[in-house]
Amino acid sequence: DIVMTQSPDSLAVSLGERATINCKSSQSVLYSSNNKNYLAWFQQKPGQPPKLLIYWASTRESGVPDRFSGSGSGSDFTLTISSLQAEDVAVYFCQQYYSPLPTFGQGTKVEIK
Amino acid sequence: QVQLVQSGAEVKKPGSSVKVSCSASGGNFFTYTFNWVRQAPGQGLEWMGRIIPMLDEANYAQKFQGRVTITADKSTRTAYMELSGLRSEDTAVYYCADSSRRYFDLWGRGTLVTVSS
Repeated sequence: DIVMTQSPDSLAVSLGERATINCKSSQSVLYSSNNKNYLAWFQQKPGQPPKLLIYWASTRESGVPDRFSGSGSGSDFTLTISSLQAEDVAVYFCQQYYSPLPTFGQGTKVEIK
Repeated sequence: QVQLVQSGAEVKKPGSSVKVSCSASGGNFFTYTFNWVRQAPGQGLEWMGRIIPMLDEANYAQKFQGRVTITADKSTRTAYMELSGLRSEDTAVYYCADSSRRYFDLWGRGTLVTVSS
């Protein structure tokens, strides 16, 4: 199984400041034949299902604010919230869908400082 | 509007089975790939398995092999996840999610399954 490890487990950021979440996979999720990274980011608020934010490591889902961005390739990825808003308080998960067995990171809790 | 509608909360005894449904509204049923993902209280997300109705083919995570059965009924546009031999550690919210584009872009609202004597 591909193990996904996120860091940090939690972070507190002031409103309007940048939040950065890292995700590392135990093996590359870059498919060489199409040069795509099979990596997604989700936001989950209490009592709600996960919401897709980013797929193919850096493509923003329709309707997702442009303060959310994804970057990275191979085994190292980053989700950046450029200017944290109150409604961004949530848990964020990365997920690889490269393998037939999709796996998720353990989650990063984002709070307001 | 395309959405996945799941069945309601269940309370089950240890050792029993539960069957959760996920109905797809909108779109071509055969283009869906139904995944089941669970989340224990305060925990992360765990993939259990998937079914591709077009192929009528199911795959399961090794952890759940022999205990989980995922099926799809094209006449009712519904996917099912049945988990047997329930134990307290199976208490969780069970989500269905579509990955027809590889990434999980459509999720149901979840079904809480509580296992308690």
